Amino acid sequence: GNSVTQMEGPVTLSEEAFLTINCTYTATGYPSLFWYVQYPGEGLQLLLKATKADDKGSNKGFEATYRKETTSFHLEKGSVQVSDSAVYFCALRLNYGGSQGNLIFGKGTKLSVKP
Amino acid sequence: GAVVSQHPSRVICKSGTSVKIECRSLDFQATTMFWYRQFPKQSLMLMATSNEGSKATYEQGVEKDKFLINHASLTLSTLTVTSAHPEDSSFYICSARPGQGYTDTQYFGPGTRLTVL
Repeated sequence: GNSVTQMEGPVTLSEEAFLTINCTYTATGYPSLFWYVQYPGEGLQLLLKATKADDKGSNKGFEATYRKETTSFHLEKGSVQVSDSAVYFCALRLNYGGSQGNLIFGKGTKLSVKP
Repeated sequence: GAVVSQHPSRVICKSGTSVKIECRSLDFQATTMFWYRQFPKQSLMLMATSNEGSKATYEQGVEKDKFLINHASLTLSTLTVTSAHPEDSSFYICSARPGQGYTDTQYFGPGTRLTVL
């Protein structure tokens, strides 16, 4: 079936450290891929997305590249800040005409950045 | 940006009672709304998809008579957990999508924590 697997957390880093959160997927067809972020007390917000192979999504210093050959969409940031502390969700959306467009999520990875 | 609210943010109820959770799109009209459930350290699991003015489409394994969804207007969807039991305790999250197309962005509410005693 269709699923998303992301690395277990929590992840604790010092400010300015390099961040990688791994995400791999299983899906029929050619899904779109997303990273969502949930700050404490808030709803999920779209961080970045990629809709086809080799696309790179980027936002707020975060990047992820759609790798079809490895079915991966790893999230990276070169220098994290305390304000990046949040829970990060990788997700996919199946793209076919009969789809309702619902998202399939990974379990989420909690990131804590220490000053 | 687009804002989605949920009310209440948390609710505690006794076993056997019913609880209603509201999801509102504050600055856009939502043709489609989604209801998710999240267990601790688990991913968000889609429960149902509702389109304004029509019956909700439930995911396999979700009891439609237990989780009643009403999407009566373009800005409001409600989820009613009927005859709640402790195993229904969870974090319920809604999302709203402004357009008809499945590629349109979903906007998420902050979630509702339900605790059934």
